[in-house]
Amino acid sequence: EDQVTQSPEALRLQEGESSSLNCSYTVSGLRGLFWYRQDPGKGPEFLFTLYSAGEEKEKERLKATLTKKESFLHITAPKPEDSATYLCALAGGSGGYQKVTFGTGTKLQVIP
Amino acid sequence: DTGVSQDPRHKITKRGQNVTFRCDPISEHNRLYWYRQTLGQGPEFLTYFQNEAQLEKSRLLSDRFSAERPKGSFSTLEIQRTEQGDSAMYLCASSVVQGVTEAFFGQGTRLTVV
Repeated sequence: EDQVTQSPEALRLQEGESSSLNCSYTVSGLRGLFWYRQDPGKGPEFLFTLYSAGEEKEKERLKATLTKKESFLHITAPKPEDSATYLCALAGGSGGYQKVTFGTGTKLQVIP
Repeated sequence: DTGVSQDPRHKITKRGQNVTFRCDPISEHNRLYWYRQTLGQGPEFLTYFQNEAQLEKSRLLSDRFSAERPKGSFSTLEIQRTEQGDSAMYLCASSVVQGVTEAFFGQGTRLTVV
């Protein structure tokens, strides 16, 4: 069964303090790994898609990387507006071509 | 706004009542998904459509739940005889058909069963 584990569950950073969020996964044939941001009471907002080990994508202060067992979301010099829950999700394996399995997320709080 | 639209945003209902939610996907997207999310958890897959065909359903989708997508445009999710355990955020998402691509989510419908 496909599994996605995110760590830490919660992270509190000072503004400007860079860090990384982890997404570990097990799947029999990864077809895609997604990162989303979710604000309280709202739907997830798409950030990145990664397809193969070694791939990296960047957007503003965020950079996503992928290995064969995990993905990292690096946050450089975060600002308070980066506070949100970050969700990792994967497509592939036993879940079928388009059934995506989500992790439980990392709740990030950036303190001014 | 050309994003995914869901209606209503909030719904409070009494246990045993039926409720129906609507989702309007991004116009050029042929795939439409329904997810359920409870507090502190990630979204859980319920079902998905490609055009008007419902291609996959999760075992989470009991016989009290039914989803439709007539004419491959908007979709509805109906819950019959609601239970307190149905209280959750119901999320709709849509994507293009080609390959394994990201889905774009609506703002969700928050259901509270009292």
